Amino acid sequence: DIVMTQTPLSLSVTPGQSASISCKSSQSLLHSDGKTYFYWYLQKAGQPPQLLIYEVSKRFSGVPDRFSGSGSGTDFTLKVSRVEAEDVGIYFCMQSIQLPLTFGGGTKVEIK
Amino acid sequence: QITLKESGPTLVKPTQTLTLTCTVSGFSLNTPGVGVGWVRQPPGKALEWLALIYWDDDERYSPSLKNRLTVTMDTSKNQVVLTMTNMDPVDTATYYCALTSRYCSGGTCYPTNWFDPWGQGTLVAVSS
Repeated sequence: DIVMTQTPLSLSVTPGQSASISCKSSQSLLHSDGKTYFYWYLQKAGQPPQLLIYEVSKRFSGVPDRFSGSGSGTDFTLKVSRVEAEDVGIYFCMQSIQLPLTFGGGTKVEIK
Repeated sequence: QITLKESGPTLVKPTQTLTLTCTVSGFSLNTPGVGVGWVRQPPGKALEWLALIYWDDDERYSPSLKNRLTVTMDTSKNQVVLTMTNMDPVDTATYYCALTSRYCSGGTCYPTNWFDPWGQGTLVAVSS
């Protein structure tokens, strides 16, 4: 199984500041078709996960441009610029290049 | 607007079989490449993928739960059903279904894409 390791476990951010979350996979997520099967989700309290970023750096429909993804191969980063109160929740990374699909353990982001 | 909704029991007893239904609205499951996945989340814990089924009835399961899971698709009802046998208290979790897709060409299918949208989830407790 591909292990997805997220850091940090939690983050406390001042509104208007930025936050970065790292996710490392135990195997490369770059497929021979040229796509990297890596995603970021945000799960707000009491809600299902919502897709933020797909294929490393592509913002999903309706996601503010404050969210940006970067990385390649096995190392990935989500950056939230100008953090707002509505950004609190748990951020998960996920890979789908190989079954079983696996998720990171999550990073809890709160506002100071 | 595409929506998914999970339904089923909120409480099951140990050793019983859980049956959950995911009803999809606003989109036909009888669409090439489309699939539905199941993911669960124990209270306060991370997400765990359980199973996938595609429009062509291709089924995929988590190896750790494969012996206990069955997933079926009824395109006439636009529903996907997940059954999990021999339930245990450790299976207490919120169970989600979510839409996905994959590209197939010339007999080769590529990895599944992202999950979106997700259903609201249904909390299932396992207790005697």
